[in-house]
Amino acid sequence: EVRLLESGGGLVEPGGSLRVSCEASGFTFSEFGMGWVRQAPGKGLEWVSVIYGGDKSRYYAEPVRGRFSISRDNSRSMLYLQMNSLTAADTGRYFCVKEFAHGSHRFFDSWGQGTLVTVSS
Amino acid sequence: SYDLTQPPSVSVSPGQTARITCSGEALPKKYVYWYQQKSGQAPVLVIFEDNKRPSGIPERFTGSSSGTMATLTISGAQVEDEGDYYCYSLTDTSDSRVFGGGTKLTVL
Repeated sequence: EVRLLESGGGLVEPGGSLRVSCEASGFTFSEFGMGWVRQAPGKGLEWVSVIYGGDKSRYYAEPVRGRFSISRDNSRSMLYLQMNSLTAADTGRYFCVKEFAHGSHRFFDSWGQGTLVTVSS
Repeated sequence: SYDLTQPPSVSVSPGQTARITCSGEALPKKYVYWYQQKSGQAPVLVIFEDNKRPSGIPERFTGSSSGTMATLTISGAQVEDEGDYYCYSLTDTSDSRVFGGGTKLTVL
């Protein structure tokens, strides 16, 4: 059974930094792309970033590009999201997701329960 | 930036057919996926690759796509189907992913 367990969320002041983590189990972590999706309170889902399993290519949504950095440690089955220069607009629940990929078909087939990030003074 | 557009809300009575649309310029070239999210829970995939149903998803959930419009159809909607539904796809370059704004389905 796939399990994704996020941690590291919390309260941070505007302009501050935070790193959230995701511990994965139940599948061969290195073989799959992984990513982050966030959801502001009462709002919709927003894709944030993805990192591939093989070449570790990384892609970011425009609102976070240059401020957020996604990384992974395949030896520990861990996914990370380093978030810098945080603003109130970054407040939300951050979901760790596993990506299924087959050719050009890519979608998120497993989700964690999320970790809450609040940016406020 | 590339957007997927959904209606904010859809409301039906139990047993009726609910249709949720998703429009996007790249949809003729990209598959659409649909997620259901119930209050306080993580999203669940209900349709993949336009019209395929994951195991465990009831047959009343079907998907279709034509041109720039994709549709999630729930035939004989039940109260337990209430929640938010999101379409999802890759952008034209396939480097980015995008969710639709979400549609709140009410069954009462």
